[in-house]
Amino acid sequence: EAQVTQNPRYLITVTGKKLTVTCSQNMNHEYMSWYRQDPGLGLRQIYYSMNVEVTDKGDVPEGYKVSRKEKRNFPLILESPSPNQTSLYFCASSLSPGQGGYGYTFGSGTRLTVV
Amino acid sequence: KNEVEQSPQNLTAQEGEFITINCSYSVGISALHWLQQHPGGGIVSLFMLSSGKKKHGRLIATINIQEKHSSLHITASHPRDSAVYICAVRPPAYSGAGSYQLTFGKGTKLSVIP
Repeated sequence: EAQVTQNPRYLITVTGKKLTVTCSQNMNHEYMSWYRQDPGLGLRQIYYSMNVEVTDKGDVPEGYKVSRKEKRNFPLILESPSPNQTSLYFCASSLSPGQGGYGYTFGSGTRLTVV
Repeated sequence: KNEVEQSPQNLTAQEGEFITINCSYSVGISALHWLQQHPGGGIVSLFMLSSGKKKHGRLIATINIQEKHSSLHITASHPRDSAVYICAVRPPAYSGAGSYQLTFGKGTKLSVIP
């Protein structure tokens, strides 16, 4: 089944403790992206990647890191989480124009609480 | 940067009613997406539009590029349609890497009552 898999689904952590949220897709998509969703603010882009070893900042990159060492994986790293990073996070992937389209597939989300 | 406005913010309908959700944006785009987010939180892509109209079951999406406006219609609404519907736009292709960046509306929360 074609899908984007995020882990974990729920995470409670303490301020300053490094964490990684994993994202993996099995559709050979070139484009992958991370979003956070907050009440009243909607979805906002954190980072995106056009292909392996190609990443760039979105609208709210502060406090986050990403890497794209393999095409299927795009982990989101919070090196020193703070309470303002408490949010619902989504990973998504998409075909590139060269692959035939622009459709997006979203992961199931990760609800992160930083105390 | 594109400004995406959705209306209404909240909508309550009786089962069977015809529903319309609107999305307006401020600058030209290459495509517009309609997404559905159920109470469990997962997001599903419903439509991607660059012109005209698309239909899938009881859902119809239209876009008017000149007026920078799109509508999502649900015919014969059902309680299982209760969800948040989100509009998202993509910049033009000449934006390069930026053409992949979605800008989202804040969503329309739909509740369909039996």
